[in-house]
Amino acid sequence: GIQVEQSPPDLILQEGANSTLRCNFSDSVNNLQWFHQNPWGQLINLFYIPSGTKQNGRLSATTVATERYSLLYISSSQTTDSGVYFCAATGNQFYFGTGTSLTVIP
Amino acid sequence: DTGVSQDPRHKITKRGQNVTFRCDPISEHNRLYWYRQTLGQGPEFLTYFQNEAQLEKSRLLSDRFSAERPKGSFSTLEIQRTEQGDSAMYLCASSKVGHSPYEQYFGPGTRLTVT
Repeated sequence: GIQVEQSPPDLILQEGANSTLRCNFSDSVNNLQWFHQNPWGQLINLFYIPSGTKQNGRLSATTVATERYSLLYISSSQTTDSGVYFCAATGNQFYFGTGTSLTVIP
Repeated sequence: DTGVSQDPRHKITKRGQNVTFRCDPISEHNRLYWYRQTLGQGPEFLTYFQNEAQLEKSRLLSDRFSAERPKGSFSTLEIQRTEQGDSAMYLCASSKVGHSPYEQYFGPGTRLTVT
């Protein structure tokens, strides 16, 4: 199956800082999605981004499918950004990375 | 537009018992997915349906697991003869073919604890 690797595994930021999360995938994929899992376990859609760049407020994402990676940018981080960020890549089945655990401290 | 709902939210059961979980997808979403997530890991794909047809099953879905979507709307996931290793969060997601067919929306999950 497709291997999805995320880095870094853990990240601690001061409120207001910027960060970049990376997702590498082992094979060509049809689709890529970024999720935020809040402390209660709910997975929240951030971006559906098989290729190109999208922005939503303080968050943006870029996928370069030919080079098999995607990046999630968080600017001016807030404490509510804390949680685990997952990317998921889909071919015939659906594969999640192991996540980046983000803690934003005030 | 209500989101994906799952019931129950928490289930504690004794080893050897059977359990059944329910998932109601977003209305008009014809694809429905089941995942399992253990502590510190990303969700692992179990199976998915398009309408009432079960199109993919992971090797994780042992003979003790069965999923149904009889009328193409809600789905149930049953685990027979539960084992302690079945303790996990069971997540359901849905998507709509023809829109962004692989853009999945997740429910809040059912947390299973097997004692």
